[in-house]
Amino acid sequence: DAGVIQSPRHEVTEMGQEVTLRCKPISGHDYLFWYRQTMMRGLELLIYFNNNVPIDDSGMPEDRFSAKMPNASFSTLKIQPSEPRDSAVYFCASSQDSNEKLFFGSGTQLSVL
Amino acid sequence: LAKTTQPISMDSYEGQEVNITCSHNNIATNDYITWYQQFPSQGPRFIIQGYKTKVTNEVASLFIPADRKSSTLSLPRVSLSDTAVYYCLVGPSHASGGSYIPTFGRGTSLIVHP
Repeated sequence: DAGVIQSPRHEVTEMGQEVTLRCKPISGHDYLFWYRQTMMRGLELLIYFNNNVPIDDSGMPEDRFSAKMPNASFSTLKIQPSEPRDSAVYFCASSQDSNEKLFFGSGTQLSVL
Repeated sequence: LAKTTQPISMDSYEGQEVNITCSHNNIATNDYITWYQQFPSQGPRFIIQGYKTKVTNEVASLFIPADRKSSTLSLPRVSLSDTAVYYCLVGPSHASGGSYIPTFGRGTSLIVHP
């Protein structure tokens, strides 16, 4: 398996634009997590899915953020409109089961100018 | 959810053994202890997991005392490539029926010097 695949690797956009981050989890993994990492706040959990259903989105900062998982092999994290304070590295991770080890993607480095 | 406390940073030299301790005073009976490693510009990766006593694999050892209120990740003979951030997580296993939200916090930044 190729592991968790995220795209794009880097994204530079202007304030107010819509940003869509993509993630393909490892096949057979039932859990998918979206994290955000900044120097100030460390690695924060935004939302996670179990069997394509959002379970906990309490970490999503505000309504500008939304996440979907239309099927077991694909998830998106959308920011609309984007703001400079959204600049961070966004990681997607998947696991086979709760408290099974997480496998992380390479992340998307987002810069909002 | 058990809160963890670990040092913000540590320094070491090549060839030394490094021990990183994590405190988790309110660990629950069903909780396991898991450690991850994160290199710059990469996502965290699983290193080791344990419940009690000692666990060893090809990367590290994990020591857990009888009261389980702390754990120590031991890296033998570190090299420059072990420079990374190390995270300690505590949470229930699926087998116990507990729900679990993996919370990473800030971790311990280990710098290995030549």
